[in-house]
Amino acid sequence: NAGVTQTPKFRILKIGQSMTLQCTQDMNHNYMYWYRQDPGMGLKLIYYSVGAGITDKGEVPNGYNVSRSTTEDFPLRLELAAPSQTSVYFCASRPLAGTGTKNIQYFGAGTRLSVL
Amino acid sequence: GIQVEQSPPDLILQEGANSTLRCNFSDSVNNLQWFHQNPWGQLINLFYIPSGTKQNGRLSATTVATERYSLLYISSSQTTDSGVYFCAVLNQAGTALIFGKGTTLSVSS
Repeated sequence: NAGVTQTPKFRILKIGQSMTLQCTQDMNHNYMYWYRQDPGMGLKLIYYSVGAGITDKGEVPNGYNVSRSTTEDFPLRLELAAPSQTSVYFCASRPLAGTGTKNIQYFGAGTRLSVL
Repeated sequence: GIQVEQSPPDLILQEGANSTLRCNFSDSVNNLQWFHQNPWGQLINLFYIPSGTKQNGRLSATTVATERYSLLYISSSQTTDSGVYFCAVLNQAGTALIFGKGTTLSVSS
């Protein structure tokens, strides 16, 4: 059981370049999330999805796009990278609200992105 | 939306000491989690504790939902406990966790 898998682990982009951060989960979770964490800060929600075909904006969506064509995958797209997008990106997943431990959110290992 | 505040922001301990981390939230919640972010950046679930008390080894947590706070206790701290501890609560829509800014713990030998 791999849990939440993110690729790549590290990436350096030039200003204006595009890239896709990949995220996949094998726990059949309905909810998936993308967060960014700036140095010394907590996590801020970029986008989330409650199921295949459904996505919604979080707190800081500008400059990003997402899609959810399958339950397992939730890629995050940066179209025109900017230095302000230098951050660590975390993908997470969570099952539908249940009881007890089933309502736990699980995180991937993160992607460190630098835009120079 | 819900506000999550953690205190203290930083904590420095000698190995073997005990500590208490606090999380206050501004509205009633039915999902609260504590996470540990280790020095390598990995986020690890510690507790799912919307109410009551749970213990796992040297760590325990208590949430008093009616008073809108949760406490994380670390006893006999070890250097491997170093890192950032985050509290997170589910937003009112039930769709996403809202994180506090974390408590950075440094344990020295």
